[in-house]
Amino acid sequence: SAVISQKPSRDICQRGTSLTIQCQVDSQVTMMFWYRQQPGQSLTLIATANQGSEATYESGFVIDKFPISRPNLTFSTLTVSNMSPEDSSIYLCSAGAGSYEQYFGPGTRLTVT
Amino acid sequence: RKEVEQDPGPFNVPEGATVAFNCTYSNSASQSFFWYRQDCRKEPKLLMSVYSSGNEDGRFTAQLNRASQYISLLIRDSKLSDSATYLCVVPRSGGSYIPTFGRGTSLIVHP
Repeated sequence: SAVISQKPSRDICQRGTSLTIQCQVDSQVTMMFWYRQQPGQSLTLIATANQGSEATYESGFVIDKFPISRPNLTFSTLTVSNMSPEDSSIYLCSAGAGSYEQYFGPGTRLTVT
Repeated sequence: RKEVEQDPGPFNVPEGATVAFNCTYSNSASQSFFWYRQDCRKEPKLLMSVYSSGNEDGRFTAQLNRASQYISLLIRDSKLSDSATYLCVVPRSGGSYIPTFGRGTSLIVHP
């Protein structure tokens, strides 16, 4: 298994600003993912963070709005850019080692005012 | 059929009851399946994996029915601490290691 930490755990931001969320894994992993979860809803995959190359985004999510970095096998960042109240959500990082078993970070609770 | 479908519930059961959830999937080529548990305001955590006909871990049994394309999760002797949302996970079509999460089934175990 892997232990994943995320920073910040929560934030309240003004519309029009950007927030960068950090995800740190305690071991090298093949796959890292970023999800969004609205209250009472299931997980929506934003993108797959690829080490050393551009992230692979899901339909409805674009790099300009959600730039992602993954400089190595244990770390990734997600930036939520030019935020609006609709971006208020929980953002979760997950990691897997080449199988479908994933381990999640505790999430970042974002509120945009 | 959606990639993954679950009855959202909630399932409201007394302590000690046996409860079962089903999850249907569309990708007939899927070889592995997972159940995750998500407590309120917490991240999902892997509960069980199902690679063949089924898997059992204490009070929890996961079964796979390939012909009808569904997996089930059976919880025996329910505890108050079993109250959570149970997410079914199926590999995305196309062979990548990207999972598809169901919307989850809510379980409430009451005294």
